[in-house]
Amino acid sequence: EAQVTQNPRYLITVTGKKLTVTCSQNMNHEYMSWYRQDPGLGLRQIYYSMNVEVTDKGDVPEGYKVSRKEKRNFPLILESPSPNQTSLYFCASSFGQGLSPLHFGNGTRLTVT
Amino acid sequence: GQQLNQSPQSMFIQEGEDVSMNCTSSSIFNTWLWYKQDPGEGPVLLIALYKAGELTSNGRLTAQFGITRKDSFLNISASIPSDVGIYFCAGRYLNGGSNYKLTFGKGTLLTVNP
Repeated sequence: EAQVTQNPRYLITVTGKKLTVTCSQNMNHEYMSWYRQDPGLGLRQIYYSMNVEVTDKGDVPEGYKVSRKEKRNFPLILESPSPNQTSLYFCASSFGQGLSPLHFGNGTRLTVT
Repeated sequence: GQQLNQSPQSMFIQEGEDVSMNCTSSSIFNTWLWYKQDPGEGPVLLIALYKAGELTSNGRLTAQFGITRKDSFLNISASIPSDVGIYFCAGRYLNGGSNYKLTFGKGTLLTVNP
């Protein structure tokens, strides 16, 4: 089944403790992206990747890192999480950035205390 | 970036009623996408629109790409309880050179009373 898989689904952590949210897609998509979803603010893009070893900042990149060493994986790294990073995070992928629709994972709900 | 105004923010309807929601912008888009998000899940693509004026159906759902390329609407006919969820529009535009960006509306929360 074609899908975008995120792990974990739920994560509670403390301020400053480094964490990684993994994302993997099995559709051979070049383009991958991370979003956060907050009430009243909708979906905002954190980082995206056009292909292996090609990443760029989205609209809200501060406090986040990403890497794209393989085509199928696009982990999101929070080196020193803070409470304002408590949010619902989505990974998404598509064949390209132009016309192909984005396919989303099921989300990771992160709480930073 | 480009802003999308999605309306209404929320709707409460009776089962069997038709629903209409729309997204507007002062900017031009190349692609319009409509997604549905169920509680605790990721957005799922409903309809993709690629040409101005395009009208596309997916079962009881119909969406149109506005002629001016600045708006799109989604209609749901004969609503059923499982239509409950948040519906998002998304518009894709060229952000300088060959770099495309996707911007999302803030969503329409649909509640269907059986």
